[in-house]
Amino acid sequence: AQSVSQHNHHVILSEAASLELGCNYSYGGTVNLFWYVQYPGQHLQLLLKYFSGDPLVKGIKGFESEFIKSKFSFNLRKPSVQWSDTAEYFCAVRPGGYQKVTFGIGTKLQVIP
Amino acid sequence: DGGITQSPKYLFRKEGQNVTLSCEQNLNHDAMYWYRQDPGQGLRLIYYSQIVNDFQKGDIAEGYSVSREKKESFPLTVTSAQKNPTAFYLCASSTPGQRNTEAFFGQGTRLTVV
Repeated sequence: AQSVSQHNHHVILSEAASLELGCNYSYGGTVNLFWYVQYPGQHLQLLLKYFSGDPLVKGIKGFESEFIKSKFSFNLRKPSVQWSDTAEYFCAVRPGGYQKVTFGIGTKLQVIP
Repeated sequence: DGGITQSPKYLFRKEGQNVTLSCEQNLNHDAMYWYRQDPGQGLRLIYYSQIVNDFQKGDIAEGYSVSREKKESFPLTVTSAQKNPTAFYLCASSTPGQRNTEAFFGQGTRLTVV
């Protein structure tokens, strides 16, 4: 069965600091990869997704991710975080052709003004 | 507007009672999912359905049941057999097959057993 590992469970950054949240998955075949964000009191929203093609994916609000197949990784990055980025971030994987989406345990990001 | 509607937003249940959480979508999506979110455990898949009248167990199906009689609806019943039902429940939907898209989520239902 596929699994998703998010290594950073709680991250605290100052505004303007750079962000990188780790995500690794275990599945040997074709995968679809996602990052979702959950702002306090709000529902899960898609930040970015990878299905195929260019492994460098741009998402909303300045977020990006790079799919590194050899490392089974899909880390989330942002060059300069803002206080409004305070939220919980979830990495998710879906094997190609299947419907079961597996999520990581999430990373809580706290940005200090 | 297209989207996923979960109701109610907050639900209280007495121990030993079954309770049904509603999930309706008007996105014309074939696939629907139920997840449970607990602090420090992320989202865990309870059940999913790829098409009407079909559904599969996820990772933590024990104590739960679902039905998929209509494309738009995927209700989740939390039975008295569920040992620790207090949690935040999320419903999602997506289009299946090769036209892959992401899953869209509802606002969630917070269930508290009292």
